[in-house]
Amino acid sequence: QSVLTQPPSASATPGQRVTISCSGSNSNIGSNTVDWYHQFPGTAPKLLICDDNQRPSGVPDRFSGSKSGTSASLAISGLQSDDEADYYCAAWDDSLSAYVFGTGTKVTVL
Amino acid sequence: DVQVVESGGGLVKPGGSLRLSCVVSGLTFSDAWMSWVRQAPGKGLEWVGRIKSKRGGGTTDYAAPVKGRFIISRDDSKNTIYLQMSSLKSEDAAVYFCAWVGRVPSVMNSWGQGAPVTVSS
Repeated sequence: QSVLTQPPSASATPGQRVTISCSGSNSNIGSNTVDWYHQFPGTAPKLLICDDNQRPSGVPDRFSGSKSGTSASLAISGLQSDDEADYYCAAWDDSLSAYVFGTGTKVTVL
Repeated sequence: DVQVVESGGGLVKPGGSLRLSCVVSGLTFSDAWMSWVRQAPGKGLEWVGRIKSKRGGGTTDYAAPVKGRFIISRDDSKNTIYLQMSSLKSEDAAVYFCAWVGRVPSVMNSWGQGAPVTVSS
């Protein structure tokens, strides 16, 4: 059972903005940075955002991350059909001494 | 580019053992921290554990469900890490991904394609 909670699904029409929340606690998001990964069906996950809001090279600026207290968010603006995937937040948990993933959110482009 | 390739997946009986390998290229492997992540069929991602570089101490960390049963090791001369799994349970059945921790201590920048493990009698 994951200690980071995400909504199971999110959707929007092409061109719109979708936001995914990630709720944690003081031992993970509250004291460590948050990373985001996305995963297309049948493929390996890929890093999307690290250190709360940093985009690795090659990630479009349509993707942005933010954090406040024990919650984090991923925003996708200018939604495209190619963005349909599962999205996971993640952070180190000091109490568990483990890296924990969120429950995952399936993004659908309507 | 960093390339990560897992191998060794397969079918194993409950209580049995299996060893996965992960070969990495495109970086100075001896400086690399590496992680294992698994994904059960139709489920989300679950971190399994990590091994630090020797310069970083060479130590390992494990998730609670696998601690005491799984061992991560490395052979820097072969650019390879291993995941030795023992006392396997049905709930260990998953695709196991190996990943390079490009941003220490935990951000996984490059992932392998995954090695499927089935636990069944």
